[in-house]
Amino acid sequence: GAGVSQSPSNKVTEKGKDVELRCDPISGHTALYWYRQSLGQGLEFLIYFQGNSAPDKSGLPSDRFSAERTGGSVSTLTIQRTQQEDSAVYLCASSLVLGSSTDTQYFGPGTRLTVL
Amino acid sequence: GENVEQHPSTLSVQEGDSAVIKCTYSDSASNYFPWYKQELGKGPQLIIDIRSNVGEKKDQRIAVTLNKTAKHFSLHITETQPEDSAVYFCAASRVKAAGNKLTFGGGTRVLVKP
Repeated sequence: GAGVSQSPSNKVTEKGKDVELRCDPISGHTALYWYRQSLGQGLEFLIYFQGNSAPDKSGLPSDRFSAERTGGSVSTLTIQRTQQEDSAVYLCASSLVLGSSTDTQYFGPGTRLTVL
Repeated sequence: GENVEQHPSTLSVQEGDSAVIKCTYSDSASNYFPWYKQELGKGPQLIIDIRSNVGEKKDQRIAVTLNKTAKHFSLHITETQPEDSAVYFCAASRVKAAGNKLTFGGGTRVLVKP
C-alpha cells in the first residue's frame, strides 16, 4: 500500500516569506508526527497529532511554526516569516495506535526547505 | 527531557565483517527503542525495534540488545553488505496511548567497503 507522502519534495523560499508543507499519512493511521532534520541539530521532534486529542506542540521552536491536521488525515506545517536557520529537511511520520500503546512510526521522504 | 547519545559517528567496515553501533539514553522511563536506516535523499526506515520488556531481538543479520540498568542499547549487523551503507539512527521514547515522541541519537554513517 501507499506510504507516507509529502509535498513539495523541495522548496526554496526567500527570507521573510511564509511556507506550507504538506503530509499525507498512511490511510487509517491515527497518529501523525512532524520532525526536523538539520545538520546542526540532527533529527528533532516538532509536533504530533493523535486522533481528536489536542496536539503536542512541545517541540515547535518558535511561534512562527504551526501545524494543523484536517479531518484526521492530511496535515500542513506552516512556517511564517521564514529565517535562514529554518533551512532543513522536514519529515512527517504516521503510526497506527493500537490499544494502549502506539505502534511503529513510518516516515515520509521529507521536504527539503532552503531559505535564501 | 530524554537525551540520546550515539557512537561512533562514522564506521567503516569490510564487506562480510560485523558492525556495532551503541546508544545511551537518559530517561529511565523510556520503554521503546527503534533503529532507523536512512539512505541519501530518503526518509528514515525502521529496521528493528525493541521494547523494554525484552533484552535482545534478532531479525536475520540484524540484532538489537538492551541493557535497562545501564541505559544503553546496541545495534549489531553481521555479514555486512555494500547495501548496508547508510546512516543509522537510534531513538528512545516513552510509549503511551497519547503519543510516542522519539528522541534520536546523532546518527552513525556506515560505509561497507567491497
